[in-house]
Amino acid sequence: KAGVTQTPRYLIKTRGQQVTLSCSPISGHRSVSWYQQTPGQGLQFLFEYFSETQRNKGNFPGRFSGRQFSNSRSEMNVSTLELGDSALYLCASSSGQGTGETQYFGPGTRLLVL
Amino acid sequence: GENVEQHPSTLSVQEGDSAVIKCTYSDSASNYFPWYKQELGKRPQLIIDIRSNVGEKKDQRIAVTLNKTAKHFSLHITETQPEDSAVYFCAANPLFSGGYNKLIFGAGTRLAVHP
Repeated sequence: KAGVTQTPRYLIKTRGQQVTLSCSPISGHRSVSWYQQTPGQGLQFLFEYFSETQRNKGNFPGRFSGRQFSNSRSEMNVSTLELGDSALYLCASSSGQGTGETQYFGPGTRLLVL
Repeated sequence: GENVEQHPSTLSVQEGDSAVIKCTYSDSASNYFPWYKQELGKRPQLIIDIRSNVGEKKDQRIAVTLNKTAKHFSLHITETQPEDSAVYFCAANPLFSGGYNKLIFGAGTRLAVHP
């Protein structure tokens, strides 16, 4: 099976802009989780989607949002970008059938906000 | 609130030695504890995981132990090799704050294995 894919791999934006990142899970996986990775804060949970519904959310401001489509692909959006949003954004997929499942990470999208 | 503490932050060993990384978690209802290895510029890769109904799990040179009473789990790597050099993250699945597949990660341990 193909692994988790993310597009784009790299992005450069300026403050105030918005950005949309995409994640395609492993075929058959219905749960997609998003994480932000920075040198200072490490890996932080953003949210999880299952069956087009957000079922878990981390402690991030409302500028961070996401959605999931019927084919389980997921997007996350960050509006009104701030310098501190520069990070590696990782998504991870799992089957979605239970809790505490094995999650497989994508390669990430590296976002730089200038 | 939910928290996972990981120690040490850096670890340097000679090839062939053992390496041990320790984590503690705050949510006593956590039931799933994965370990990920992340090489520079690459995605985190799951190397081993353990569930709360098991005290120890081993996979070749890697083992994980879990002490639910102490809310503590550890990664053990034996016969280390230079290719083991990477950043290792522990994580826990906090059921009290949402559950499902939310993971709280430790800060990471940078392991360097010297030939």
